[in-house]
Amino acid sequence: DAMVIQNPRYQVTQFGKPVTLSCSQTLNHNVMYWYQQKSSQAPKLLFHYYDKDFNNEADTPDNFQSRRPNTSFCFLDIRSPGLGDAAMYLCATSRDRLAGTPLREAFFGQGTRLTVV
Amino acid sequence: AQTVTQSQPEMSVQEAETVTLSCTYDTSENNYYLFWYKQPPSRQMILVIRQEAYKQQNATENRFSVNFQKAAKSFSLKISDSQLGDTAMYFCAFMKFGSNYQLIWGAGTKLIIKP
Repeated sequence: DAMVIQNPRYQVTQFGKPVTLSCSQTLNHNVMYWYQQKSSQAPKLLFHYYDKDFNNEADTPDNFQSRRPNTSFCFLDIRSPGLGDAAMYLCATSRDRLAGTPLREAFFGQGTRLTVV
Repeated sequence: AQTVTQSQPEMSVQEAETVTLSCTYDTSENNYYLFWYKQPPSRQMILVIRQEAYKQQNATENRFSVNFQKAAKSFSLKISDSQLGDTAMYFCAFMKFGSNYQLIWGAGTKLIIKP
């Protein structure tokens, strides 16, 4: 089945040690998002890719970076994780309405729960 | 700037009852989308229902329906014949046409279905 897959589901990292979270999709969607979600809160958009174009939210810390080497994969790099970065990280995809088809909703992966020790 | 407000942090109903979750939003846009997403405990976020603002007819998906009042900027979700599997966080979200694809989220409503 076409889907959004995030690996790993659970990640434990040390304070200050770089960590990378990965996301892959088989939906062939051109838009990919990374969200941070803390307990019982709404997701907070960190950045998104429209095709290869990277769009950073103004309040996303410099500590967070992303790479999208191809349509199917997207990575979230946290250069120096702090205790405040412990959260669920959600990857999502959607399809551009400008392609002549209706904008579809965002499809989410199962998330990666990051613990910083 | 757009905002989305969910005024009910938590709701609880008995199985098989009908429950309505409220959502209001503020925008000066005329064309936009509204969504209800469901996030069960420790599980992924999934779309429940979508409404395009230019459509007057309220969207329905099986037991889920919305009451979309564009003038009042209200977008409530009704769940009929509630089931234990409906227990989840429910988020209302807004996206304007031609935006940078950013969803504006409400704070969420925790819905508990009791047996």
